[in-house]
Amino acid sequence: DAGVIQSPRHEVTEMGQEVTLRCKPISGHNSLFWYRQTMMRGLELLIYFNNNVPIDDSGMPEDRFSAKMPNASFSTLKIQPSEPRDSAVYFCASSLGGGYQETQYFGPGTRLLVL
Amino acid sequence: DAKTTQPNSMESNEEEPVHLPCNHSTISGTDYIHWYRQLPSQGPEYVIHGLTSNVNNRMASLAIAEDRKSSTLILHRATLRDAAVYYCILRAHYGGSQGNLIFGKGTKLSVKP
Repeated sequence: DAGVIQSPRHEVTEMGQEVTLRCKPISGHNSLFWYRQTMMRGLELLIYFNNNVPIDDSGMPEDRFSAKMPNASFSTLKIQPSEPRDSAVYFCASSLGGGYQETQYFGPGTRLLVL
Repeated sequence: DAKTTQPNSMESNEEEPVHLPCNHSTISGTDYIHWYRQLPSQGPEYVIHGLTSNVNNRMASLAIAEDRKSSTLILHRATLRDAAVYYCILRAHYGGSQGNLIFGKGTKLSVKP
């Protein structure tokens, strides 16, 4: 299995531009998670989907952030407009279920720099 | 979720055992203890988890105190590839968050050749 696939791996953009991060979960997994990692705040859960439905988006920082999961094999995280403080590494993870024992498998991350 | 306390950093020599401690004094009866690690420039990866009994897998062993207020991740022979940040995480058995992972600061393990 290819694991969780994220694209792009690196993104440099200017303040005010729209940024779209993409994630392909492991085939057969029905839960998908978006995390953000910064030096100041560590790893934070932004949103998670179960069976393509957003279950908990309480970690989404503000209205500039939106996430979608149109089908079981694809999800996007969009930032519009982007700001320098959005610079971080964004990870996508998937699991077979959302239960307490289910292992989450993380992608390699997208390193975002907003100038 | 109950919180965990880990040392900020630890050092080990290659091919020696490493014991990474974690305190979780407010753990509830149905919280599972999970360990993940994050190698440099990579996403976190699962290491091991347990509830009450000690657990072993190909990566590590997990020793859980009888009162469950602390646990220790044991790497039997550290290699340079084990240099990573190790996170000890409690996962709720049930609840609105359905056991989401909540990462603390973890322990940064350095391995010397």
